[in-house]
Amino acid sequence: AQRVTQPEKLLSVFKGAPVELKCNYSYSGSPELFWYVQYSRQRLQLLLRHISRESIKGFTADLNKGETSFHLKIQFAQEEDSAMYYCADGKLIFGQGTELSVKP
Amino acid sequence: EAGVTQFPSHSVIEKGQTVTLRCDPISGHDNLYWYRRVMGKEIKFLLHFVKESKQDESGMPNNRFLAERTGGTYSTLKVQPAELEDSGVYFCASSQYLTSSGANVLTFGAGSRLTVL
Repeated sequence: AQRVTQPEKLLSVFKGAPVELKCNYSYSGSPELFWYVQYSRQRLQLLLRHISRESIKGFTADLNKGETSFHLKIQFAQEEDSAMYYCADGKLIFGQGTELSVKP
Repeated sequence: EAGVTQFPSHSVIEKGQTVTLRCDPISGHDNLYWYRRVMGKEIKFLLHFVKESKQDESGMPNNRFLAERTGGTYSTLKVQPAELEDSGVYFCASSQYLTSSGANVLTFGAGSRLTVL
């Protein structure tokens, strides 16, 4: 059964706008969750992990156990943030991916 | 430090033929994973090696797929015979550590694109 769900296949926003990429998980306990990103012509790479509670380049993600979510938030989206974003759990099961397009 | 290396970068074969994909993980990484991306976007887990042992192969689609990791170093993924639906991008990733909760942080290869005609 799918453990990580990303309901949005595509998000399109204008530069400077805030954006939230949704990720929901479906199991109990204390999951370890990650966001990976693949920019055009680059390798899939780790963006951030919830256990580190880190913020990178304006990206944040907070684990919400009540909502079983780990949504990725970008405060001010930039054109270079356009990419495929994948949420993944500790067993490295990936969500379906969300394509983010940031328009000028 | 060399990253995760995959060969070939692109392979075009006919249905019924055999293809072998290779992955060289980062030296010292015991954990090696294979994934594939089909239909353009979704990344599907195939299997996980810890050194030379298959830790989890629950994602292998059928017995036409065979993965090996000789000596716990590089790994191969063979598809025999290939079918049209096997087309996609096959990713390899490796990890040295498990976190306290058993999770991994992965370093990915560039992927091997397989096209079955």
